[in-house]
Amino acid sequence: ELKVEQNPLFLSMQEGKNYTIYCNYSTTSDRLYWYRQDPGKSLESLFVLLSNGAVKQEGRLMASLDTKARLSTLHITAAVHDLSATYFCAVDRGSTLGRLYFGRGTQLTVWP
Amino acid sequence: EAEVAQSPRYKITEKSQAVAFWCDPISGHATLYWYRQILGQGPELLVQFQDESVVDDSQLPKDRFSAERLKGVDSTLKIQPAELGDSAMYLCASSVKWGSEQYFGPGTRLTVT
Repeated sequence: ELKVEQNPLFLSMQEGKNYTIYCNYSTTSDRLYWYRQDPGKSLESLFVLLSNGAVKQEGRLMASLDTKARLSTLHITAAVHDLSATYFCAVDRGSTLGRLYFGRGTQLTVWP
Repeated sequence: EAEVAQSPRYKITEKSQAVAFWCDPISGHATLYWYRQILGQGPELLVQFQDESVVDDSQLPKDRFSAERLKGVDSTLKIQPAELGDSAMYLCASSVKWGSEQYFGPGTRLTVT
């Protein structure tokens, strides 16, 4: 079964700092997604990465995909408090009819 | 903007009782997914429908869980009897077809006492 590992699981960072969240997965994948979840809320789609070397940016967040290393990163630039949330990566193996395999999530807290 | 609707948003039930959740996907989306998210973990797929047919229920505890999507539109997930370990967020998602981007509903937070 496809395994998805995120690290760190907990991240506390000061406003203005940079940091990277890592997502490793165990088998080849067709697509990789990043989601944001606020406490008690549903999942908000951030990025969809489809091919090796794909890079997408939205505001202070940038996601990249290395399919050979089976690694995706979510880079946070100059963090602000509003980015505090839990971030999940999820992988679609294609052969599993679109079923998503999620990591455990990274709980990000940004403090002043 | 079209959204996935779920109800109820919150449900508290006693152990051994029956409980049901409802999901209305985005219009025109053929594929519907039910995920369970235990606190502190990522969502896990319970069941996936393509139109009215189940295409993946390998992770559904079939002794107590059932799901249907009779007309290929909205869907119901039922638990009978509920157990303490069923306390979780139940998320419904839909996509145009399998393999395309999934859109998630607001979820139903279930607490079993």
